[in-house]
Amino acid sequence: DVKVTQSSRYLVKRTGEKVFLECVQDMDHENMFWYRQDPGLGLRLIYFSYDVKMKEKGDIPEGYSVSREKKERFSLILESASTNQTSMYLCASSTRLAAKGVDTQYFGPGTRLTVL
Amino acid sequence: AQKVTQAQTEISVVEKEDVTLDCVYETRDTTYYLFWYKQPPSGELVFLIRRNSFDEQNEISGRYSWNFQKSTSSFNFTITASQVVDSAVYFCALSEKDSWGKLQFGAGTQVVVTP
Repeated sequence: DVKVTQSSRYLVKRTGEKVFLECVQDMDHENMFWYRQDPGLGLRLIYFSYDVKMKEKGDIPEGYSVSREKKERFSLILESASTNQTSMYLCASSTRLAAKGVDTQYFGPGTRLTVL
Repeated sequence: AQKVTQAQTEISVVEKEDVTLDCVYETRDTTYYLFWYKQPPSGELVFLIRRNSFDEQNEISGRYSWNFQKSTSSFNFTITASQVVDSAVYFCALSEKDSWGKLQFGAGTQVVVTP
């Protein structure tokens, strides 16, 4: 069965703190993604990774960084949290098909982050 | 520019009514993929269906059906005989060829089914 887990369901941090959001998948997927979800905006891609140690910026990378040291784990880092980063963060993974092909993404349960 | 438009913000129905969710997409690629996901109150996105641009055959799966029409760039989703458990936010998403599978989501449609 497909399984993507995220380290926390709810997180409260203070402005300026460094925040780590962890995502683990057990499906041996090559691709992993971080999205943030805000009301009325749907999900927006922050960063993605198509292999270990590889990363690519998504649509809204500003204020975020990522780390992929192991295939199963993809971390999202907020170097200095700000109130406008209060949001729901969703991690996803998918198989890598040939020639940057498209496969179904499977999502974790999300982390609701509040920055005070 | 918004590539996936879900014009309906919220739809409220009474149990057993049918509900249709609209999705209009925009792409210049000839090869692309469309998805529907469901997000129940628990928050996790649940994959429902995936279609590629070369397969316009409409599909029925239980109470769910999908209508893909390239001519109007639409990929609509219908729930027949809705149930309270169908209450959720439904997202339509587009992935273009050579994109590493990146998804572009619509804003979502909240479906509320009351007994």
